[in-house]
Amino acid sequence: KNQVEQSPQSLIILEGKNCTLQCNYTVSPFSNLRWYKQDTGRGPVSLTIMTFSENTKSNRRYTATLDADTKQSSLHITASQLSDSASYICVVSANYGGSQGNLIFGKGTKLSVKP
Amino acid sequence: GAVVSQHPSWVICKSGTSVKIECRSLDFQATTMFWYRQFPKQSLMLMATSNEGSKATYEQGVEKDKFLINHASLTLSTLTVTSAHPEDSSFYICSARGGTSGRWEHTGELFFGEGSRLTVL
Repeated sequence: KNQVEQSPQSLIILEGKNCTLQCNYTVSPFSNLRWYKQDTGRGPVSLTIMTFSENTKSNRRYTATLDADTKQSSLHITASQLSDSASYICVVSANYGGSQGNLIFGKGTKLSVKP
Repeated sequence: GAVVSQHPSWVICKSGTSVKIECRSLDFQATTMFWYRQFPKQSLMLMATSNEGSKATYEQGVEKDKFLINHASLTLSTLTVTSAHPEDSSFYICSARGGTSGRWEHTGELFFGEGSRLTVL
């Protein structure tokens, strides 16, 4: 069964600190993995999209890693800011260019950055 | 990045009425759009896949007669919640994927709208 599991479910950190969010998946055949940031009451915004051959990808203070062998991904946030408070959603695609039905959503990690 | 616009961003209606939500891709043509529902503190749940010029494909458990989806053009899809009831109150989000042109087609990137919050009294 295709599944995407994220941990932790929620996380509280102090402003300026770093944190790492985890995403484990059992999706096959794997096509790509995406990280989205969703602010409360807003639509998700793409942070990164990683294909099978990519191990690391950075987007400003966000760095995503992908280990296709162990089927794990992480999202590292550096020097957190209050505006980083949001839900971070991991989405894995089972078939590039295929139907939406092949996108499997994780339940997200809710990050709270405190001053 | 590409822009997907939803309208209205929030709506309050009486039980039994119908509500239409629009999803527009503003700077690219989207052959495929998707509709999601999100309850508080839960993840996005796919409701249906909308392809331009054809009938939508609904996920299991989603009533197609209650949630009418129309994708009449490459830039517009609509979701109509018919005879809305309080249990239909939720956050509805659409996403769009680039189709016939534009660089986004090659990445298969999805762009989400800002969401529409529906409250049924």
